[in-house]
Order: sequence, then C-alpha cells, then structure tokens
Amino acid sequence: AQKVTQAQTEISVVEKEDVTLDCVYETRDTTYYLFWYKQPPSGELVFLIRRNSFDEQNEISGRYSWNFQKSTSSFNFTITASQVVDSAVYFCALSEARSNYQLIWGAGTKLIIKP
Amino acid sequence: DVKVTQSSRYLVKRTGEKVFLECVQDMDHENMFWYRQDPGLGLRLIYFSYDVKMKEKGDIPEGYSVSREKKERFSLILESASTNQTSMYLCASSLFQQYQGNTIYFGEGSWLTVV
Repeated sequence: AQKVTQAQTEISVVEKEDVTLDCVYETRDTTYYLFWYKQPPSGELVFLIRRNSFDEQNEISGRYSWNFQKSTSSFNFTITASQVVDSAVYFCALSEARSNYQLIWGAGTKLIIKP
Repeated sequence: DVKVTQSSRYLVKRTGEKVFLECVQDMDHENMFWYRQDPGLGLRLIYFSYDVKMKEKGDIPEGYSVSREKKERFSLILESASTNQTSMYLCASSLFQQYQGNTIYFGEGSWLTVV
C-alpha cells in the first residue's frame, strides 16, 4: 500500500494562479516527519520544508504555504500567485521510526506554470 | 548552507566499464545516501551509510557497491556497468536530530549513460 500518495500526476496552470499540491500519508507511528522537496528541470532535489507530527501549525514562507492536518493525514502545499520559475516536480515524503527514518517518497507532482 | 557535491554531472560509459561516482558533503553529516531516479519509478535508495566504513543496502543494491572511507565522502561503484544502469544518480546527506528528524540534502545529480 502506498504510504505517501500524491494523486495529482501533473498540474498545469497559468502564471499568477494559485495552485495546491496534495499529499496524503499513512503511518502508525506517533512520531513522524513530513517533507516537501522541489526538483526543477536541472535535476537537483531542493529541500523546502519539514514538519514533525507534534506541530500542526501551518507554515507560510513567501508565496509558499503548507497545511498539515493529522485528522485527514494530509500535508498539502499551496503556491500563491504562481510564477514560471515554480515549474518543477514536487515530492512529498514521510520519515517514520518504523522505517528507520528513511524517507518514503510520493510519486511526485509535475507542476507546469504557463506564462 | 549544506553543500553536497557530486563529482560528475554527466557521464557516458561503455558496457562493462567500472564506474565511480563520487560525492562529498561539507556539513559533517553522519548519514549519506545514494539514490537513482528513473521516469515512472521515482526515487529508489541504492545504499546508505550511517558512519565511516559502514554501509547498508537500500531497496536496489544489486549491481552496485559503495565506499565510505572518510566521513565527508561517499562513493558509488558500478563494478561492470550495464545499459539498465543508465539513470540519474543522486547523492545525499543528513544528520538525524531529535524533534527535527532526518532532513536529507541532495547534490545536483549525476546523469549516467551506459552505451
């Protein structure tokens, strides 16, 4: 069974639109960590955010915001006023004790921002 | 900033060649990783290391070996390259911290083509 599900394979929006990338996870651990990474066409995976299971506060960083909801096992990522430079593949990942804190990756969502 | 440097960005090797992919990190991280990434298959862990001279198999270790003689350096070795090892290889490092988990930082990636 998928432990990290990114149901949106590809999303295409026009620049300046807001877009939300979904991530649903599954774990039995009470302590776990969730991550988002960005992979632009150049290939490097860039760490964006980490959230631990004890902290359900939403986070905002510039045009980026993250909504963590334990009740629905979701950790969604919203880009406000999208820009062409946001075009990338975005990965959600889970780290849990029973997996020795190795990252369990979602399949990724390819985001295309059209000018 | 964490810096993970991979020695080669693009390589073309012949079938049967021995291939070395080198990776260096400058943050004194204990953990280092080698992943490969293929379209449709996502990120797959090849090997990881928690300490100098220590290595653990990941999900797809067959056909690969690793070496960690110094804390900052982690090498991936393809003993006899085959065409099915054509892929992008990503090196990463991390430091596990209580309440912060195991945030993994990646290098730029090495695109290997075996002909």
